[in-house]
Order: sequence, then C-alpha cells, then structure tokens
Amino acid sequence: AQSVTQLGSHVSVSEGALVLLRCNYSSSVPPYLFWYVQYPNQGLQLLLKYTTGATLVKGINGFEAEFKKSETSFHLTKPSAHMSDAAEYFCAVTPRSNDYKLSFGAGTTVTVRA
Amino acid sequence: DTAVSQTPKYLVTQMGNDKSIKCEQNLGHDTMYWYKQDSKKFLKIMFSYNNKELIINETVPNRFSPKSPDKAHLNLHINSLELGDSAVYFCASSQDSTNYNEQFFGPGTRLTVL
Repeated sequence: AQSVTQLGSHVSVSEGALVLLRCNYSSSVPPYLFWYVQYPNQGLQLLLKYTTGATLVKGINGFEAEFKKSETSFHLTKPSAHMSDAAEYFCAVTPRSNDYKLSFGAGTTVTVRA
Repeated sequence: DTAVSQTPKYLVTQMGNDKSIKCEQNLGHDTMYWYKQDSKKFLKIMFSYNNKELIINETVPNRFSPKSPDKAHLNLHINSLELGDSAVYFCASSQDSTNYNEQFFGPGTRLTVL
C-alpha cells in the first residue's frame, strides 16, 4: 500500500520568505505525485503533479516541486511567501498500476506572518 | 460553470436521521469518488465509481451507500447518522484517459451530527 509522510504539521513563515513543505513516499516503484492546496472552507485545488519527464515541476501560484527518486521525496517550495499562501497543503500519491486510489499525507498548515 | 458541485454545502442533523449528499460533475469524467475529511483534516477515500460501477469500497460502515444514477452523478446516502459521522465530505472526479487519474474536487459538504 502507498504511504505518504508530510514532515511538519504546521509551518510558519514570514511574508517574502521561502516556503518549504516536505513530502516523502514509501513504495519501491515511484508513484504519480501530487500537491493539493485547500484554502479555508474550500475544496482541494491541484497545485502541481509529477507523472514523468523533468523532475522539477512548476505549478500554479509560483510553487514548484522536485521529484527525487533516490530520496523518495517530492518537496514543495515557493521562493517568496505571500499572505494568500496561508492554507492547508496535501501531498498525495497514486500508484502507476492505475488502481484509482489517491493516498493523502496528513497535511501541513501554512501560516504567513506579516 | 462549476466543474464538480456538491449539495448541500452544510448539513446539520440529529443522530439517527438519514441524509443524502449529492454530487455532479460536468467534466465528462468516467470516475467519481467520495472522500471523508475528519476534524484533523485527514483525507480518506471511501468509494469510487467508474462508469456507474463500484470499483473502490473502503472499510466504511454499511450505513453509507453510494449511488451513481449516471456517469455524471454520484450521491452518498447515510443511514442512522452517528456523532462520528461529523466531517467534511468531498466528491471528486477523474478522467480514465490519463493513467495518473488527476482528481478534481468539489467544494465539500460539512456534515454536523448533533
């Protein structure tokens, strides 16, 4: 079964500072990888995904993530945090066997300090 | 032109009641899902339908019964509601033509059982 670990349930950054959210997966075959964002009282919105090809993936709102097979990681970064980035962020994986199951990490709450 | 919509957005009810949540997607997707997000924001798959056929049925009490009248709709009926059913329920959909099944989420239904 797929397993996703997000290190740090809460991350607090200053406006303009780097945002780094960590995600590690546990499977021998790299899965498809996703980052979703959930703004307060809203549904989940896809930020970016890695399926194949270039390991550095750019997403919406200035976020990017890098797939590192050797580290089984897919960390999310944004160079300069904005107040509007305050939200819950979820890393998710689905196996390449296409079994439809999307497994989510526990989520990381990001707060941005003025 | 909402892609995945759910009704109602909020649902407050008494223990023992029966309630339904409706979901509709206008993306032409083949697969639809129900997720439960608990008070700690953990997301877990409950059910999935592909072309009206049940393909994922996780360990969920049989008080929960999904129904898919057509490919664009997946409703969730809950019998004999319990306090522990209080959560946010998300509907999602994905297209079979991609192996990675990128899922698009609805806005959620916050269920409160008193």
